[in-house]
Amino acid sequence: DQQVKQNSPSLSVQEGRISILNCDYTNSMFDYFLWYKKYPAEGPTFLISISSIKDKNEDGRFTVFLNKSAKHLSLHIVPSQPGDSAVYFCAARRTGTASKLTFGTGTRLQVTL
Amino acid sequence: NAGVTQTPKFQVLKTGQSMTLQCAQDMNHEYMSWYRQDPGMGLRLIHYSVGAGITDQGEVPNGYNVSRSTTEDFPLRLLSAAPSQTSVYFCASSYSGTSRDTQYFGPGTRLTVL
Repeated sequence: DQQVKQNSPSLSVQEGRISILNCDYTNSMFDYFLWYKKYPAEGPTFLISISSIKDKNEDGRFTVFLNKSAKHLSLHIVPSQPGDSAVYFCAARRTGTASKLTFGTGTRLQVTL
Repeated sequence: NAGVTQTPKFQVLKTGQSMTLQCAQDMNHEYMSWYRQDPGMGLRLIHYSVGAGITDQGEVPNGYNVSRSTTEDFPLRLLSAAPSQTSVYFCASSYSGTSRDTQYFGPGTRLTVL
């Protein structure tokens, strides 16, 4: 049972345009959501997060939106740059579960020139 | 700080062999975890530890053992390797393990079991 889903395995966007990566979840006990970025042969690195009490969090070119009623979150990257080309993982955590993250399957973003 | 380090980077085992994947962190983090990444599956939690001497199972613990004798180290043991354990393994750590605490990941160990 995949509790965190990323239905788009890949996405291609032109440099300078907006990249929108989507994530859906099924467990209503999740209260904190994170996005990780992963380059080949490296470990995931933290990108941005959002608490379930918020609907938006912004950090530079990256914005995460959370729609709790739809159990949906999205990551917006504006403007997209070639260095953003990587695999992006959505992850979720339940209250009180400390280190236990539930990950989605990832979306490979390619930013073209 | 070196952050989270993992050794080896690559390993090939034969079915039935045993080995230990090493993980160390120098950030004085209390929480450490092991994940495996398989194609189309994302990362799945194997075992985790909330501090020295305390470990617990994650989502896919079968076939793996862990121990945490020091804050810095969190080795993952495969007692009898199976082809189904072919995967990329990531170790992660975080300071306190609260909901808002960021996990830092190591570079991974790519394991192939023949």
